[in-house]
Amino acid sequence: DTAVSQTPKYLVTQMGNDKSIKCEQNLGHDTMYWYKQDSKKFLKIMFSYNNKELIINETVPNRFSPKSPDKAHLNLHINSLELGDSAVYFCASSQYRSHSGANVLTFGAGSRLTVL
Amino acid sequence: KQEVTQIPAALSVPEGENLVLNCSFTDSAIYNLQWFRQDPGKGLTSLLLIQSSQREQTSGRLNASLDKSSGRSTLYIAASQPGDSATYLCAVRYTGGFKTIFGAGTRLFVKA
Repeated sequence: DTAVSQTPKYLVTQMGNDKSIKCEQNLGHDTMYWYKQDSKKFLKIMFSYNNKELIINETVPNRFSPKSPDKAHLNLHINSLELGDSAVYFCASSQYRSHSGANVLTFGAGSRLTVL
Repeated sequence: KQEVTQIPAALSVPEGENLVLNCSFTDSAIYNLQWFRQDPGKGLTSLLLIQSSQREQTSGRLNASLDKSSGRSTLYIAASQPGDSATYLCAVRYTGGFKTIFGAGTRLFVKA
């Protein structure tokens, strides 16, 4: 199936640990994103990569490091996890630009991170 | 500052009612606007995308409009059903940086 898939779906870990979330899309999109949805359900962009190049880097602690080995993959590594990192992390993809603006943003199912 | 606001934050209606969800944005230099639906504990499902040059889009019982000059979009849901109960999110992709900003969402509950 064509989709944005992310793993793991659930992640429970202790404070101070390092963890990674992986994302893959087979939609042929050239841009991928990480969004964070906090406990109040507000979605906020963290990072975006276009063809493996970082194009959006919001004010995110440098404990968060995205990596894009190719345009179909965008991983998120988090060092020294803190309680406040508990959230649902969504991966998304789209075409960066089109003449008409008809480039749909497509989301993965989310990865729920719980830091104890 | 580029912001997206959705009103109301929550809405409860009886089944069969027509309803309107509102989205406003502060910067008219938009690339497109997308409406999403999110069910509890699930990901986001794209409902409609309106390109900057368009005024509205329709899909089934859903109709979304865009008025760039006033910085507003509305999502109209006709003949609401209990299965429409979800959170509806408005997302504006701005030109210049191509960042997509989300509103906080409207939580809709349709009573049977």
